Amino acid sequence: EFVLTQSPGTLSLSPGERATLSCRASQSVDSRHLAWYQQKFGQPPRLLIYGASNRATDIPDRISGSGSGTDFTLSISRLEHEDFAVYYCHVYGSSRATFGQGTKLEIK
Amino acid sequence: QVKLVQSGAEVKKPGASVKVSCKTSGYTFVTYGLSWVRQAPGQGLEWMGWISAYYGSTNYAQNLQGRLSLTRDTSTGTVYMELSSLRSDDTAVYFCISERETTGSIYFQYWGQGTLVTVSS
Repeated sequence: EFVLTQSPGTLSLSPGERATLSCRASQSVDSRHLAWYQQKFGQPPRLLIYGASNRATDIPDRISGSGSGTDFTLSISRLEHEDFAVYYCHVYGSSRATFGQGTKLEIK
Repeated sequence: QVKLVQSGAEVKKPGASVKVSCKTSGYTFVTYGLSWVRQAPGQGLEWMGWISAYYGSTNYAQNLQGRLSLTRDTSTGTVYMELSSLRSDDTAVYFCISERETTGSIYFQYWGQGTLVTVSS
């Protein structure tokens, strides 16, 4: 069974700090199939990154994605209040998809 | 402007079925596939299945095989999600998504607003 494991489960930081979120796959992933989403309470998720490192439309360059193989990272520099939310990594290939369990980014 | 508008909240009894609609606009419907994702209260995201808007072919998550049916109406640009034999753990917000593809990357670009389905006796 293919699994995506995100860490940490919760990340407590202050505005202005840098956040680093991890997503580890149970087997190697084509990086073209790795995406990141942000979800705020009561809203649908919002696409941030696709193809592991490509920012979606209107996503600021403070947000970046990297990684390959089984290890992927979402980085957010200079945290702003709007960044505090839940983040999910996602792999989609052959018309099937898997999500990580999510990382909650909270204000310290 | 791409929009996906889902039908309203539903309350169902265990064993019943539910059918949620998702009407798309702002793009050529048959060009892109659509997926459904659900989120139980306070939980993460679970992919349910996919339908080709052009062909109508489908793929379903293994744990929903036999209970999930995705269909589409190309004349109205609407996709439907029907889940049968409902159980209490099917209580969730259900999202439809219109996918996009770029150089081999397929991703969930446009999301519906979500439909809360509550299963309770």
